[in-house]
Amino acid sequence: EAEVAQSPRYKITEKSQAVAFWCDPISGHATLYWYRQILGQGPELLVQFQDESVVDDSQLPKDRFSAERLKGVDSTLKIQPAELGDSAMYLCASRTGMNTEAFFGQGTRLTVV
Amino acid sequence: RKEVEQDPGPFNVPEGATVAFNCTYSNSASQSFFWYRQDCRKEPKLLMSVYSSGNEDGRFTAQLNRASQYISLLIRDSKLSDSATYLCVVNRDSWGKLQFGAGTQVVVTP
Repeated sequence: EAEVAQSPRYKITEKSQAVAFWCDPISGHATLYWYRQILGQGPELLVQFQDESVVDDSQLPKDRFSAERLKGVDSTLKIQPAELGDSAMYLCASRTGMNTEAFFGQGTRLTVV
Repeated sequence: RKEVEQDPGPFNVPEGATVAFNCTYSNSASQSFFWYRQDCRKEPKLLMSVYSSGNEDGRFTAQLNRASQYISLLIRDSKLSDSATYLCVVNRDSWGKLQFGAGTQVVVTP
């Protein structure tokens, strides 16, 4: 069964360091999302891609976060510099169309110390 | 006001009982709706889509009320394995932005 791949699964980094997460969506899925989920809260959208274009990054803290999906396939989310408050689960999801199911990867659990 | 609001619970439900909870959304232009299930420290997984006419999948029934802008989920004959957080998800625009609620926690007890 096709699935969304994310790496790494876990990351511990010191504050002020740079960190990067990778996501490979299900083949053929044009829409890709990055969400951040703090324990006890729902996922919060950081950025949404349609193919290689950003369609929504209104909640992305652009002073420290960046995201790209250069060839419209896999995607990278970067944080530089990391802050203590960035500790969370970072989830990637993909889907084929607007009314279809979004599939999630297993997430990257980030701890900033 | 949050765009998607849910009662956080927990809903403590005896095994075999029925539980129901709602989710309200603020954007009347929202186009499609979903319930996702999330187990502790796992990724969300689709439980069911919510259709205008209401739909049922086994022990789960979802309803949509566009006039009052809420969706509901009902679980019949609760199983211990139904213990999870149920996330309400709203597709709020034509670009497919998915807005999540904070989740409703359900705990099924023996």
